[in-house]
Amino acid sequence: EAGVAQSPRYKIIEKRQSVAFWCNPISGHATLYWYQQILGQGPKLLIQFQNNGVVDDSQLPKDRFSAERLKGVDSTLKIQPAKLEDSAVYLCASSITTGLSEQYFGPGTRLTVT
Amino acid sequence: GENVEQHPSTLSVQEGDSAVIKCTYSDSASNYFPWYKQELGKRPQLIIDIRSNVGEKKDQRIAVTLNKTAKHFSLHITETQPEDSAVYFCASPSGSARQLTFGSGTQLTVLP
Repeated sequence: EAGVAQSPRYKIIEKRQSVAFWCNPISGHATLYWYQQILGQGPKLLIQFQNNGVVDDSQLPKDRFSAERLKGVDSTLKIQPAKLEDSAVYLCASSITTGLSEQYFGPGTRLTVT
Repeated sequence: GENVEQHPSTLSVQEGDSAVIKCTYSDSASNYFPWYKQELGKRPQLIIDIRSNVGEKKDQRIAVTLNKTAKHFSLHITETQPEDSAVYFCASPSGSARQLTFGSGTQLTVLP
């Protein structure tokens, strides 16, 4: 089966600019996650969707980050305006359902904010 | 929220030796404990997981043990090989959506 797809793979922007990331989960996976992974750290959950509804976004900096999954399939994560500390790899993952099911990760988008 | 602590942060072993990585968690309701392997520049991939109704699970050279009373679980890799070199992350679920909190990672280096 095809894996989780993400684009772009790399992005360099200046601070205060905006950026958007795209994710296409594995077909049939109801749950989609966006993680932020800062160099040398474990992935940190930003937002979790179940179909097209938000299940958890408690760690999403809502003043600058937004995410949507309008049709319950693809998802976009946006940052506006970006800060230097947003430099990280943004990982998208999906699972069949929430809870005790394996999460499959995409290749990630490496964001550098200068 | 959940707090997951992982030790050690770096681990070097000789090829053929065993490696052990330990994690502690704080949420007593946690009932699922996966381990992910992340090679340099690649995505995390699940290598083994354990549910709270068992104390140990093995898959070839990899095993995970769980002590729910002490709230810790460990990854054991036997007969290590150079291709085992990677960063390993433990995780534990918490919250109403059982979202995963990841440990800070262990950089394992297997020396030939």
